[in-house]
Amino acid sequence: NAGVTQTPKFQVLKTGQSMTLQCAQDMNHEYMSWYRQDPGMGLRLIHYSVGAGITDQGEVPNGYNVSRSTTEDFPLRLLSAAPSQTSVYFCASSYSIGPYPYEQYFGPGTRLTVT
Amino acid sequence: SQQGEEDPQALSIQEGENATMNCSYKTSINNLQWYRQNSGRGLVHLILIRSNEREKHSGRLRVTLDTSKKSSSLLITASRAADTASYFCATLTSGSRLTFGEGTQLTVNP
Repeated sequence: NAGVTQTPKFQVLKTGQSMTLQCAQDMNHEYMSWYRQDPGMGLRLIHYSVGAGITDQGEVPNGYNVSRSTTEDFPLRLLSAAPSQTSVYFCASSYSIGPYPYEQYFGPGTRLTVT
Repeated sequence: SQQGEEDPQALSIQEGENATMNCSYKTSINNLQWYRQNSGRGLVHLILIRSNEREKHSGRLRVTLDTSKKSSSLLITASRAADTASYFCATLTSGSRLTFGEGTQLTVNP
């Protein structure tokens, strides 16, 4: 199993550009989520999904869109990049029991710089 | 605001000593999870404790949970230089949101 994969590993954007961060998992996990981590900080939840076709907002959803058309994929779209979105982005997945996600498997992260 | 908050923010110990870090949370939980992050890497799951459990062990790790105090602790026994990392607790907030604290930076000196 590849686990959770993220592409690209690094990205530089200009202010106002848009892009999509890709996330895929091959463990048939229902629960997937996106976090951002700023230097020296913890992770902040952007969006999450409890299954295909179902998404919900996390703590910091503004400026980001998600969709979940398949169990495997959970892309994160930056609509109009801003310097404040410079961060490391992590995707994670897990099985869940009812509404409760369990052990999270994390991808390697995408380092995004917005100039 | 963060649901889980770790304490201390930073901890420096000598190899062979035990390291204890704490996590406090605000709302009722179904489970609480601890993770480790090496510098520049993704998080790795260490241990999950359910709300009806009080203590759990995994190798040199011991996690306790006190739901009446809304707190958990992670003990690493006989620490090694390789344990140097950031440690985070994670809890569910509203719905199915899994949120993380800001972490404890552990440094184990050889």
